[in-house]
Amino acid sequence: DVKVTQSSRYLVKRTGEKVFLECVQDMDHENMFWYRQDPGLGLRLIYFSYDVKMKEKGDIPEGYSVSREKKERFSLILESASTNQTSMYLCASSPNRGAYEKLFFGSGTQLSVL
Amino acid sequence: QKEVEQNSGPLSVPEGAIASLNCTYSDRGSQSFFWYRQYSGKSPELIMSIYSNGDKEDGRFTAQLNKASQYVSLLIRDSQPSDSATYLCAVNIRSGTYKYIFGTGTRLKVLA
Repeated sequence: DVKVTQSSRYLVKRTGEKVFLECVQDMDHENMFWYRQDPGLGLRLIYFSYDVKMKEKGDIPEGYSVSREKKERFSLILESASTNQTSMYLCASSPNRGAYEKLFFGSGTQLSVL
Repeated sequence: QKEVEQNSGPLSVPEGAIASLNCTYSDRGSQSFFWYRQYSGKSPELIMSIYSNGDKEDGRFTAQLNKASQYVSLLIRDSQPSDSATYLCAVNIRSGTYKYIFGTGTRLKVLA
């Protein structure tokens, strides 16, 4: 089975802190994604990456950055956390760049910014 | 217009009935469509994918796709209380590269 692991299930941070959310997949997938999920707004794409050191902005990249130094690891960085970044963050991966690839999700990180 | 639209629900059906969940999308070039189930506090899990017009069946689940009308639906036969969850419709669209756009989900309640 594909395993996508997010380092923390729950995280509490203070406004202005730099926050790192880590995601690791063990199936040699090319593509990795970061979403946030908020009630009534669904899953919104923050950033994605289709290769090591490559990244593309999703629909809501403001206030976030990402890093993909190794194929299996995709990190989401909140440079200066704000209360409006309190959310569930979901990492996902898919095997290749193509129209028919399925997404596999990690278990999510519930981030609270106080 | 949102790229992927779903009725938020809740959709309530009695146990044993057929639950019908619908999704419309705006990008005519979309090629692949997915249904994910998400239990409260959990991450989404894939239950169906469909790429061609028509029906695709997998156990109690049937996905239906109509590209001309730009809608995709999910039927759940013999609904069980354990099917109570939020169902997310996802569309893989080409925007430079491929990315997945999700609807906001439909909450299904199966009443025992």
